[in-house]
Amino acid sequence: RKEVEQDPGPFNVPEGATVAFNCTYSNSASQSFFWYRQDCRKEPKLLMSVYSSGNEDGRFTAQLNRASQYISLLIRDSKLSDSATYLCVVDRMDSSYKLIFGSGTRLLVRP
Amino acid sequence: DVKVTQSSRYLVKRTGEKVFLECVQDMDHENMFWYRQDPGLGLRLIYFSYDVKMKEKGDIPEGYSVSREKKERFSLILESASTNQTSMYLCASSPYRDRGVDEQFFGPGTRLTVL
Repeated sequence: RKEVEQDPGPFNVPEGATVAFNCTYSNSASQSFFWYRQDCRKEPKLLMSVYSSGNEDGRFTAQLNRASQYISLLIRDSKLSDSATYLCVVDRMDSSYKLIFGSGTRLLVRP
Repeated sequence: DVKVTQSSRYLVKRTGEKVFLECVQDMDHENMFWYRQDPGLGLRLIYFSYDVKMKEKGDIPEGYSVSREKKERFSLILESASTNQTSMYLCASSPYRDRGVDEQFFGPGTRLTVL
C-alpha cells in the first residue's frame, strides 16, 4: 500500500462547478498535512495546510479525518486557472523534516 | 520573497558522464532536499540535508551523492549518469522547527535527459 494515495484523475469539470478530492494516508501517527498545487511543467507550491478542525481559504476548504486517515480538498466555483495537479502531502513520523508526496490528482476546468 | 534557484532548467547528458545539479536558496533555511519526479510515481526523496556538511539518504539514494559546503547551497551529483536517471529533479528547502513540519519551498526544477 502506498503511504499516500490519490485518485490520479483527471477530473474534468465546467467553470463554476464544485469539485472534491480525497487522499488517504497510511501512517496514523502523522501530524502535518498539506495540499500543494503543481502547474504543468512547474514546481509544486503550497496551496494550504490542513488543520484538525478543517480550514478554509476563499474557495478552497480542506478537511482532515484522522479516524479514517484521509484528507480532502473542496474547490467551489471552479475557475479556469484552477486547472493543475493537486498533491496531497503528509509528514513522515520517522523524521521531523521529511514529507511524503502523493502522485497528485489532475484537475481540468473547461469553459 | 522566498527563492530557490536551480542551475539549469534543461540538461542533456550522455551515459557515464558525471552530472552536477546545483541548488541555491536565499531564505537562510536549515533543511534542503533533492527529489526526482516521474509520471505516476510522484516526488521521491533522494537525499536531504539538515545542516552544513550533514546529509541523510532518502528513499532512492542509489547512484546519487550530495554536497553541502555552505548553508545556502545543496548539490546533487550523478557519479555516472544512466538512462534510468532521466527525470525531473526538484530541489526544496524548509526552515528548522522544534516541533511539526514546515512548508517546503521548491526550485523550478531541472529536466535531465540521459542519452
